[in-house]
Amino acid sequence: AQSVTQLGSHVSVSEGALVLLRCNYSSSVPPYLFWYVQYPNQGLQLLLKYTTGATLVKGINGFEAEFKKSETSFHLTKPSAHMSDAAEYFCAVSNVDSNYQLIWGAGTKLIIKP
Amino acid sequence: NAGVTQTPKFQVLKTGQSMTLQCAQDMNHEYMSWYRQDPGMGLRLIHYSVGAGITDQGEVPNGYNVSRSTTEDFPLRLLSAAPSQTSVYFCASSPRGTRADTQYFGPGTRLTVL
Repeated sequence: AQSVTQLGSHVSVSEGALVLLRCNYSSSVPPYLFWYVQYPNQGLQLLLKYTTGATLVKGINGFEAEFKKSETSFHLTKPSAHMSDAAEYFCAVSNVDSNYQLIWGAGTKLIIKP
Repeated sequence: NAGVTQTPKFQVLKTGQSMTLQCAQDMNHEYMSWYRQDPGMGLRLIHYSVGAGITDQGEVPNGYNVSRSTTEDFPLRLLSAAPSQTSVYFCASSPRGTRADTQYFGPGTRLTVL
């Protein structure tokens, strides 16, 4: 069965520090990969997605992620954290095996320390 | 565009009561879906629809019904509420429901069943 694993339910970084949120997936066929962000008491919104082509994907608010097929990973990074980045981040995958439905990770709550 | 709207924002039910969560989108999207979000479990798909008159079950459909009589609306009905249905419910839509599509989420309905 397909799955998405996000390492760490909570990640804490200092303002200005590098943000790294990890996502690993299991898929026997080429995946489509997504990162969504959920700000407190709001719905989710797309940060970025990988479909085909360039494996380094840039998203909104300075975030980017790199698809590494050999590592089955799609980690999310941002060079310098801002207080406004405090939110919960979800990784998701879809492919033909999932009947095009999204398979979601459990989420990682990003905490920014002043 | 209002995007995806959900009503109500909050609801408290007693065990055994029924209710309908409303969802509407004004983007002429073909695909709509309902998720529930529980702490540490990410999002789980309840039901989805690929167009008016077509619905199908997701991962956790038991205790919920849906219908899609128009492109715009996709209500979720709880037939006989149980405490296990206490959760935050999100409606989402996407243009065609293909595996590369971005999903657009509503603000959520927080449901408590006593």
